[in-house]
Amino acid sequence: GENVEQHPSTLSVQEGDSAVIKCTYSDSASNYFPWYKQELGKRPQLIIDIRSNVGEKKDQRIAVTLNKTAKHFSLHITETQPEDSAVYFCAASKGSTLGRLYFGRGTQLTVWP
Amino acid sequence: ETGVTQTPRHLVMGMTNKKSLKCEQHLGHNAMYWYKQSAKKPLELMFVYNFKEQTENNSVPSRFSPECPNSSHLFLHLHTLQPEDSALYLCASSQDPGRRNYGYTFGSGTRLTVV
Repeated sequence: GENVEQHPSTLSVQEGDSAVIKCTYSDSASNYFPWYKQELGKRPQLIIDIRSNVGEKKDQRIAVTLNKTAKHFSLHITETQPEDSAVYFCAASKGSTLGRLYFGRGTQLTVWP
Repeated sequence: ETGVTQTPRHLVMGMTNKKSLKCEQHLGHNAMYWYKQSAKKPLELMFVYNFKEQTENNSVPSRFSPECPNSSHLFLHLHTLQPEDSALYLCASSQDPGRRNYGYTFGSGTRLTVV
């Protein structure tokens, strides 16, 4: 099956700084890469996703990049705010397995005011 | 609510009890999943159902028994659990990837404590 590695496990930044979370995957057939944000005591929520035919996608302060050759993808958050503090999960999926997502272990992001 | 509803939100049960977790989705999705989320551990996939049929059982102990009577409802029956089974149990649903919509919608979870 697919193996998704996520780094770092914890990340602390000052408000206004940028944060980058990186993930690698093992199966070159994976073609869909979502990112989820889970605030304390809440459910994971999809914040951005990217498909394998795209190298970069941006949504306001959040961007995701994908390098298919190297099999890694990254989440970039600019101008971080305290409300960005949460656990972020990356995931990978192969369409042929009926939408099954393989998750990374998560990154605890803390943004200090 | 997100369209995926889980009940109860919190559950405390003894090791000899039998209880059930319920998940309901009103999104017209075809696939439903149970995940276990323990402190400082990754999301652990337990079961996958597609069109009411179980397509994956990720080596889950038999004290966890899933049931999917239709594509909108998913249950997780619990019996003779252990304290290490205490965790947040998340239900998720997704649409048929043939429609190129792979994202999950998660429920709010059931916080289970086994005493």
